[in-house]
Amino acid sequence: AQKITQTQPGMFVQEKEAVTLDCTYDTSDPSYGLFWYKQPSSGEMIFLIYQGSYDQQNATEGRYSLNFQKARKSANLVISASQLGDSAMYFCAMRVNDYKLSFGAGTTVTVRA
Amino acid sequence: GAVVSQHPSRVICKSGTSVKIECRSLDFQATTMFWYRQFPKQSLMLMATSNEGSKATYEQGVEKDKFLINHASLTLSTLTVTSAHPEDSSFYICSARKAGRRSYNSPLHFGNGTRLTVT
Repeated sequence: AQKITQTQPGMFVQEKEAVTLDCTYDTSDPSYGLFWYKQPSSGEMIFLIYQGSYDQQNATEGRYSLNFQKARKSANLVISASQLGDSAMYFCAMRVNDYKLSFGAGTTVTVRA
Repeated sequence: GAVVSQHPSRVICKSGTSVKIECRSLDFQATTMFWYRQFPKQSLMLMATSNEGSKATYEQGVEKDKFLINHASLTLSTLTVTSAHPEDSSFYICSARKAGRRSYNSPLHFGNGTRLTVT
């Protein structure tokens, strides 16, 4: 069975600073994909970034970067230069040998001005 | 591209009635659609996987007779909550996978969700 763990229920970050959201995962399958989604209070799920298990480099998308440490089975999301619009819930998710996504519990980020 | 439309966005119904939620892929064909349920401040829990032209696959603990899923075309899946009760009140959100895309790196595209309140 696959498991995604996000241990930070909520975080506060000052505007323009960076924040790291933790995510660890557990799977015995060597092929998997890791995703981060943002969910603002309106409810939609916004895809942020993807990391494949065989990818040699850490994924980056604009202000989002993924710190992928395969041996530790962690895939932390780093948001640089936080903006007020980054306040939302963030979910780490994993896909293994089918198309299903398993989600972590989520982390609520609040950006302070 | 890759827009998923979910309708309605909010619905209030009386206990005992049925509610249908639609999930449409507007600019792509979706071989597979997924239905999730989310309680406030909690994670998304997969309810079922819907494949076009075949029966849905339900996750353990999800009542198939309670949550009817129909995936009649490559662009439309529906979830019907039958004989709804207050405990069915939740946020329901669908997602779709583009037909033909590789599995690992293609993100699922989500609808905007439906907030169901059963009174």
